[in-house]
Parts: sequence; C-alpha cells; structure tokens
Amino acid sequence: NAGVMQNPRHLVRRRGQEARLRCSPMKGHSHVYWYRQLPEEGLKFMVYLQKENIIDESGMPKERFSAEFPKEGPSILRIQQVVRGDSAAYFCASSPPPDNNSPLHFGNGTRLTVT
Amino acid sequence: GQSLEQPSEVTAVEGAIVQINCTYQTSGFYGLSWYQQHDGGAPTFLSYNALDGLEETGRFSSFLSRSDSYGYLLLQELQMKDSASYFCAVRAGYSTLTFGKGTMLLVSP
Repeated sequence: NAGVMQNPRHLVRRRGQEARLRCSPMKGHSHVYWYRQLPEEGLKFMVYLQKENIIDESGMPKERFSAEFPKEGPSILRIQQVVRGDSAAYFCASSPPPDNNSPLHFGNGTRLTVT
Repeated sequence: GQSLEQPSEVTAVEGAIVQINCTYQTSGFYGLSWYQQHDGGAPTFLSYNALDGLEETGRFSSFLSRSDSYGYLLLQELQMKDSASYFCAVRAGYSTLTFGKGTMLLVSP
C-alpha cells in the first residue's frame, strides 16, 4: 500500500513564476491536508480538502495561494507569482474520514526554493 | 486559536531516558498527539492521548493531564536513531491538527 506521494521533491522557481505542488493520498484516504514548514519551525496548517471540496482554508494566505482536490487525480497546491518568502517545505498529509484519533500520514514534502 | 509550547532542544546519551514536555492553550480539545520527524523528512505519528494518563507503546510513552493542559513524551532506552525532531499537536476541532514548533532531540554516544 503506497504511502502519500508528493512531487516534485524539489522545485526551484524564479520570483514571479508559478509553483504547482502535487499530492496523491494513501489508497483509501479521501481527506488531504497541506502544511508548510520553515527551517527550525513547526508545521503550519494551510488547508484541508476532501474530494471536490475545501473544508478549511483558514491557514491559507488570501492571495496567490490556491488548492484543489479534484474527483480524479492528485491534490494540487498552487502558488502564483512566487516570492522569496514562499521558500519552504510543503507537506501533504492524508487520512481516512477523520475522527479524533485519525493520525495523519505525511508525504516526504516538496522543497520549494524561490530565487 | 491554539498555541503549543515545547522546548526547542533536548540532549541525552544513549541508553538514557528523556522527557519532552508540551503545554497547550486551545479552545476545545480533542486530544494530544506526538509526531517524529527525521532530518526534515515525512513526519510520522507516534502516539495519541485523549484521556488523562499514560499510554505506552514500546520504548515510547505519552502522558496527558487535561486539567493542566499539559502532556509529555517519554523516550526510554535511547538509541542514536531517536535523534530527531518531536512535535506535539492538538486537535481542537473536527479536522485540523495544530503543531508545536518541535523539540530537537540529540542523542550522543
């Protein structure tokens, strides 16, 4: 049973370009979460999605960032017009329908570097 | 909102016991979890406490006191491979986990 798959592992973008980060959840998981991690920092929640629905986007910056989880295919985190401050590791996690004890299963992350 | 406090770094020697504390403030509480992360890789789930008391899983144990908004992760018989970052996290609502900033554990020979 494959785990959470994220790609690419590393992504380099120049300022002003777009970054697209992909996440395929574990088989059987229909809930996806995106977190951002800066060096020496914790994981900051960005967005929680189910298939075709955004459940909670309270951690997502209002501008330039968007996320989707279509009926078919991976979840996509999209960052438009990237700036240097967007450089970070972006982790995706998945879970079955969450109850209080549903652990999150994380992917290996995408390391975004904005030059 | 939610906030969690944990020490930034803890050091110990192989074979020792170490305790990583976590205090939290949250509106609504559905449990305290612990995750381990090696070298910036994928965080992995270690334990979950919803009720007061100690949960033991092999060399790792986790404790919760809801009245004190406090928990800890106890690692026994430390091994070099336990060197990693450890994050406590609270679930305050239906879905979202909020993480602390992490404690880097350094195990020396």
